[in-house]
Formats: sequence, C-alpha cells, structure tokens
Amino acid sequence: EADIYQTPRYLVIGTGKKITLECSQTMGHDKMYWYQQDPGMELHLIHYSYGVNSTEKGDLSSESTVSRIRTEHFPLTLESARPSHTSQYLCASSDRDIRRGKLFFGSGTQLSVL
Amino acid sequence: DAKTTQPPSMDCAEGRAANLPCNHSTISGNEYVYWYRQIHSQGPQYIIHGLKNNETNEMASLIITEDRKSSTLILPHATLRDTAVYYCIVRVRNQGGKLIFGQGTELSVKP
Repeated sequence: EADIYQTPRYLVIGTGKKITLECSQTMGHDKMYWYQQDPGMELHLIHYSYGVNSTEKGDLSSESTVSRIRTEHFPLTLESARPSHTSQYLCASSDRDIRRGKLFFGSGTQLSVL
Repeated sequence: DAKTTQPPSMDCAEGRAANLPCNHSTISGNEYVYWYRQIHSQGPQYIIHGLKNNETNEMASLIITEDRKSSTLILPHATLRDTAVYYCIVRVRNQGGKLIFGQGTELSVKP
C-alpha cells in the first residue's frame, strides 16, 4: 500500500562528509516528515513540510537541513557528519486531510558516522 | 497536547487475543487516538484510529471508553509476526498531521 522510498538503506561514512538521505513518495501527498530514532528509543520529529517550498523544524533540534522543491521528493542533508549523527532516519508522508492523520513510513536509513 | 501512557511491555500467547491498553486522560474533544506498530528496524505501520466510536479493520479493533480517557487495541488472534512495539498516539491539535510518538508497548507473541 505504501509507496514511499528511502535510499540508501544503510550508510557508513567518515566524520566531516556531506551526505544526503533521499526520500520519495508516489502518492501525491502534500505533507512529508523526517523522524530520527536511536536504538530502543522513541521517534523524534526533526523536520516536516506541508507542501512545495514549505519546511519547518520539528520538536527535536537537528543540525540537518531539508528541502522541498518537488511534491514527491523530501531530501535530508547533513553538511558535515559527526558520530553524534549516528541514528536511524525515517521519512513519512500523509494525506492533505489532516483529520485522517495516517502516516506512511519508509523503511528508514540507518546512518553510522565513524 | 494530550499525553498517552502505555505499559512498557506485554506478552501474549500465539493464537490468543492481545489487548493493549492506553491511557489518555487529558484528551480533548476533537483529538483522535491513533495506533501504529513498529517491527524491529522497520518504519512504523499504521494500524487503526478513532475519535469516540469503536473501530474495526482487517488488522485490529479499537475500543475507546465512553469518557475517552482510555482505549484498548485488540489483535484478535496474535501471531509471531505481531511481535512489535505498539504506539498509542493522540493527534496533536492545531498542528497539522504531526504525530508525537511515545515509548510504546513492546508486545512479545510467544509460541
């Protein structure tokens, strides 16, 4: 049912590298979200977007940035990765009707910064 | 924003019903209750949601008390593949579709 894709699935990189985590959805959803989750811990909202050229920071402060140039695409960028950025990053999207509130999640990107 | 309270863990025998409770005593009249689950290392999966009436779909049933201060997610015939963390969430009011995830209940279905 869900058509939301994240790449890469796993990423191991060295400190100081710039990285972009990709997220795309084919459902035409206006709203998209990025969550961060450490092992065994809660999901924390770090970014969200309600449409093209709209981005907002979430409840958890993050050094990452996002962009929304196209409806279907919501990439997340880290300009200079650090070991503290090691985590799982989950992308989600939802329908315009906020009463539904149903989120579709991707499979996530597990990022390890050495 | 209404907060939810769930037991950290529960066990259930395979084939039996799993009843997962959630308290949301500060819920307001226009806030929905959502349930998601997360199988290890995967993205969360939507299960069901409701406002005040009981709901049922192909995955589960949701029972909401009349005062709406608590709810129960029922998996009628739990299987090993239902082992996951289950999140009860109250939709954040006036903040679009954002959902705030708590710590959830880790359900272990045992043979």
